[in-house]
Amino acid sequence: DAGVIQSPRHEVTEMGQEVTLRCKPISGHDYLFWYRQTMMRGLELLIYFNNNVPIDDSGMPEDRFSAKMPNASFSTLKIQPSEPRDSAVYFCASSWGQVNTEAFFGQGTRLTVV
Amino acid sequence: SQKIEQNSEALNIQEGKTATLTCNYTNYSPAYLQWYRQDPGRGPVFLLLIRENEKEKRKERLKVTFDTTLKQSLFHITASQPADSATYLCALEMYSGGGADGLTFGKGTHLIIQP
Repeated sequence: DAGVIQSPRHEVTEMGQEVTLRCKPISGHDYLFWYRQTMMRGLELLIYFNNNVPIDDSGMPEDRFSAKMPNASFSTLKIQPSEPRDSAVYFCASSWGQVNTEAFFGQGTRLTVV
Repeated sequence: SQKIEQNSEALNIQEGKTATLTCNYTNYSPAYLQWYRQDPGRGPVFLLLIRENEKEKRKERLKVTFDTTLKQSLFHITASQPADSATYLCALEMYSGGGADGLTFGKGTHLIIQP
């Protein structure tokens, strides 16, 4: 398996535009997590799914953020409209079996909102 | 509120020595604690998981301890090498009234091994 695959690797967008980040988890993993990393706040959990169902979205900062997992092999994180303070590295991770087992992270998407 | 604390200052260690990193947590009693390594521009990579009933766990040059009384985990790298230079993150699952909230990470400690 190629691991967790995220796209794009880098995204630069103007304030107010819609941004969609994509993630393909490791095949067979039933948990998928979206994290955001900044220098100030570190790695923050935004939302996680179990068997494609959102379980906890309490980390999603605002209604401008939404995430979907239409099937076991694909998830999106959407920001609409984007703001400069959304600039960060967004990571997707997947795991198998339990929420607290080893998580496998993608390479991340570096988002810059200007 | 629940909090995970790692030394935010970089840790400089001479090659060959043992590096020891600290993870403290408050207001929580996790059943598991994990350590990850993160290199610049890359996602975190899992290293070790230790359970609350395990006092110590080893993997090659790595050793993790877990003191649930002190609410602290120590991460040791023996015979450190420049290639061990990275940011090391501890993580544990948080629970709220609705159940498991997923893995929560500390901000990490940047380790520099000097040749």
